[in-house]
Amino acid sequence: AQSVSQHNHHVILSEAASLELGCNYSYGGTVNLFWYVQYPGQHLQLLLKYFSGDPLVKGIKGFEAEFIKSKFSFNLRKPSVQWSDTAEYFCAVNPLVKAAGNKLTFGGGTRVLVKP
Amino acid sequence: NAGVMQNPRHLVRRRGQEARLRCSPMKGHSHVYWYRQLPEEGLKFMVYLQKENIIDESGMPKERFSAEFPKEGPSILRIQQVVRGDSAAYFCASSPPGGGISNQPQHFGDGTRLSIL
Repeated sequence: AQSVSQHNHHVILSEAASLELGCNYSYGGTVNLFWYVQYPGQHLQLLLKYFSGDPLVKGIKGFEAEFIKSKFSFNLRKPSVQWSDTAEYFCAVNPLVKAAGNKLTFGGGTRVLVKP
Repeated sequence: NAGVMQNPRHLVRRRGQEARLRCSPMKGHSHVYWYRQLPEEGLKFMVYLQKENIIDESGMPKERFSAEFPKEGPSILRIQQVVRGDSAAYFCASSPPGGGISNQPQHFGDGTRLSIL
């Protein structure tokens, strides 16, 4: 079965610092990849997605992620964070297998705290 | 343009009672997914349903949990004889039809936070 690993459980940084969150998955086939953000007490919102094409994808709020197939990685980045980026971030994978539908396997999440 | 609607937002039950969680997918979506988020953990897949069919229930606990998505009405996640360990946030997501594979991200509801006393 596929799994998704997020390397950092907690990240604390100051405003204007750069952010990079690691995500690795274990699945040998073709996948769709996602990053979701969950602000305190809210539902998950899609930050960005990768289906095919350019491995560098840009999402909302200045986030981007790079798919490196050889490393089975899909790391999330933001050059300069703001206090409002304080949230929990989840990487998710959907293997392109018909039986899986759009079923997502999530990483454990990374809690990001941005200090003003 | 209503999104995925879940109710109730918060549900409190005593041990041994039943919990029913409801999810209405986005308009035009016919695939529903339930996920559970235990405290301090990520979301874990529970079950994937289409109208009147359970497609994948590999994430459902073997006992006490069931799910349905009837032809009419919302999808229901039912937990019988709840225990403290069932306390969690339960999220529903929906996606459009597409033969099971669709390059459409799932849209999530606000979740139901279940607390067991």
